[in-house]
Amino acid sequence: AQKVTQAQTEISVVEKEDVTLDCVYETRDTTYYLFWYKQPPSGELVFLIRRNSFDEQNEISGRYSWNFQKSTSSFNFTITASQVVDSAVYFCALSAPDRGSTLGRLYFGRGTQLTVWP
Amino acid sequence: KAGVTQTPRYLIKTRGQQVTLSCSPISGHRSVSWYQQTPGQGLQFLFEYFSETQRNKGNFPGRFSGRQFSNSRSEMNVSTLELGDSALYLCASSSTKGGQGPYEQYFGPGTRLTVT
Repeated sequence: AQKVTQAQTEISVVEKEDVTLDCVYETRDTTYYLFWYKQPPSGELVFLIRRNSFDEQNEISGRYSWNFQKSTSSFNFTITASQVVDSAVYFCALSAPDRGSTLGRLYFGRGTQLTVWP
Repeated sequence: KAGVTQTPRYLIKTRGQQVTLSCSPISGHRSVSWYQQTPGQGLQFLFEYFSETQRNKGNFPGRFSGRQFSNSRSEMNVSTLELGDSALYLCASSSTKGGQGPYEQYFGPGTRLTVT
């Protein structure tokens, strides 16, 4: 069974601090995909990144970076020099292609509410 | 390119009624998925449609149903509404081009359903 755990329910930081959001996943599939989404107060889920199980390279996009470690089944997300606009709920998700299809359902973690104070 | 659109954005229904929610995917996207988001259960998968066929279904009762039309637009229906159906219903569309799926799912703003 697929499972995603985001142990941090809420995190509060002050602007310009770095913050890391943790994500631990469980799957028996050897091919799987990991995602991060951001949900601002408006409610819409905003796609941030997709990573497949064969690519363990870390990725950096501006102030965002992701650390994927298969050995610990973790896919952590770091925001450097946080800003007030980063305040949102962040979801980690896991997907594995279903039999007969290249499309997969997303299994979401419970999310981490990040609040950045000015 | 326009994003995923969902109508209506807000809906208030009475227990026992039925409701239909609509989703228009991003132009060119042929896959549509639906998710329910509640404070208690979080984000849960409802269905996945591709080319008018249901490809995958989550663990929801038969009161929840959906369909996809030839233009990729999708609707979901909930019959005999219960108080516990109050939730944010999110629709997502994804592209099927290329061979390395699953692909990024782009979400709409959601429909906030309140059952009284």
